[in-house]
Amino acid sequence: NAGVTQTPKFQVLKTGQSMTLQCAQDMNHNSMYWYRQDPGMGLRLIYYSASEGTTDKGEVPNGYNVSRLNKREFSLRLESAAPSQTSVYFCASSEAPWARVMNTEAFFGQGTRLTVV
Amino acid sequence: GNSVTQMEGPVTLSEEAFLTINCTYTATGYPSLFWYVQYPGEGLQLLLKATKADDKGSNKGFEATYRKETTSFHLEKGSVQVSDSAVYFCALIKSGGSYIPTFGRGTSLIVHP
Repeated sequence: NAGVTQTPKFQVLKTGQSMTLQCAQDMNHNSMYWYRQDPGMGLRLIYYSASEGTTDKGEVPNGYNVSRLNKREFSLRLESAAPSQTSVYFCASSEAPWARVMNTEAFFGQGTRLTVV
Repeated sequence: GNSVTQMEGPVTLSEEAFLTINCTYTATGYPSLFWYVQYPGEGLQLLLKATKADDKGSNKGFEATYRKETTSFHLEKGSVQVSDSAVYFCALIKSGGSYIPTFGRGTSLIVHP
């Protein structure tokens, strides 16, 4: 099984450019998440989608938009990239929303390393 | 709000040494607690979990016990290997209020032969 697949793996953008990070899972999971990982900051939740058709802001949503295209796919868009958005981005999925199934394990993609110059 | 505090790294050990990575949390009620591991160049993988007080999670020789009295979930392994070199994240999920999972900052472990 592929699990959670993110594309691209690496990207360099100029300030002000836009791009979309793609994420797809093949585990028929209901919930999907986007995190960013910065040195010394751990993982911070950007947006999440508890189920197909719903999206909600996480801890650091400013400068990002998301689309839950279907049950499999959850994309993250940077409309006007800024150097502060240089980070490693992780997509994750789980069978059910965290709140309803406390034991649910989240599966993570391999990450997208984004540099904004 | 909820928070997770991990010891700062990197933790550097020789092979076969004993490992402890400290994790304490702040949350009301009874959160579930997790340890995730991130190997170089990869995403996070669940290592172990515990959902109620005094539960012990274990996997691959790692253990952690949910201690409500000290609000801790320290990760231990009796004999580390070079292949255990990775970044370890403590996390909590709490029902009620904000359901967003909260991660610690991560602790890097380096094991030398």
